[in-house]
Amino acid sequence: DAMVIQNPRYQVTQFGKPVTLSCSQTLNHNVMYWYQQKSSQAPKLLFHYYDKDFNNEADTPDNFQSRRPNTSFCFLDIRSPGLGDAAMYLCATRTGQTLEQFFGPGTRLTVL
Amino acid sequence: QKEVEQNSGPLSVPEGAIASLNCTYSDRGSQSFFWYRQYSGKSPELIMFIYSNGDKEDGRFTAQLNKASQYVSLLIRDSQPSDSATYLCAVEPNFGNEKLTFGTGTRLTIIP
Repeated sequence: DAMVIQNPRYQVTQFGKPVTLSCSQTLNHNVMYWYQQKSSQAPKLLFHYYDKDFNNEADTPDNFQSRRPNTSFCFLDIRSPGLGDAAMYLCATRTGQTLEQFFGPGTRLTVL
Repeated sequence: QKEVEQNSGPLSVPEGAIASLNCTYSDRGSQSFFWYRQYSGKSPELIMFIYSNGDKEDGRFTAQLNKASQYVSLLIRDSQPSDSATYLCAVEPNFGNEKLTFGTGTRLTIIP
C-alpha cells in the first residue's frame, strides 16, 4: 500500500545530542512537510519542500534543519535538542495538483 | 486574533446523536478547508475537505462552509464511541500557498 513512513516511531535523546528523524513516502508526492506538535496544540509547520525547493518558516529555529535527497525521503535534523523540543514530529505529503495533506504516523521525541 | 479558531472542548455527545464541530477563520480570502481526526498519541487523519459554499456529505460526515461568515463546520451523524478524538480544522489561505493553518482542535467524547 502507498503510504508515508516515519522512523523511528519513538526517539529518546539527551539534551544537546544531535538527532535525525526520517520520513519516506511511496506516494510519489511532490510536496513534503515537517510539523512539530506539542500536547493539545495545533501542528506547527517547520518547513516544506516542493520537489527540491526548500521553504523554511520564518519562526523555525536554526536548530532545525532538513534534507530531501530524493523524492521519496526527507530528514529532520535537530542539531542540539533542548527540553522544549520534546514533541511529536509529523511528516506529511501531498501532490502538486491537489491540496490534501496525508500524514505519517509521527515520531515521538523525548529529550532527557 | 488567532487565524483558525476552534472551541477546545471537551464536547460530550451521547452515542447515536449528532456531533457538531465548529471552526472560524480570519483570512477572508481562504479557499480550501479541511477536517482532520486525531486520536490521542496518533497522527492526524484526513476526514473531509470542502472548497465551495454549502454542504458536502460523505457517509456519516457532513462538512458545511459559509465563506461570508468565515465559518466551517463538521457534523457527525449517528455518533459512535470510535468517533471520540480531537478534530482539527485546517485552512489553506489561498490557492497555491501550499500550506495549511491548523486550529488547536476540539476534543470530542462520545458517551455510550
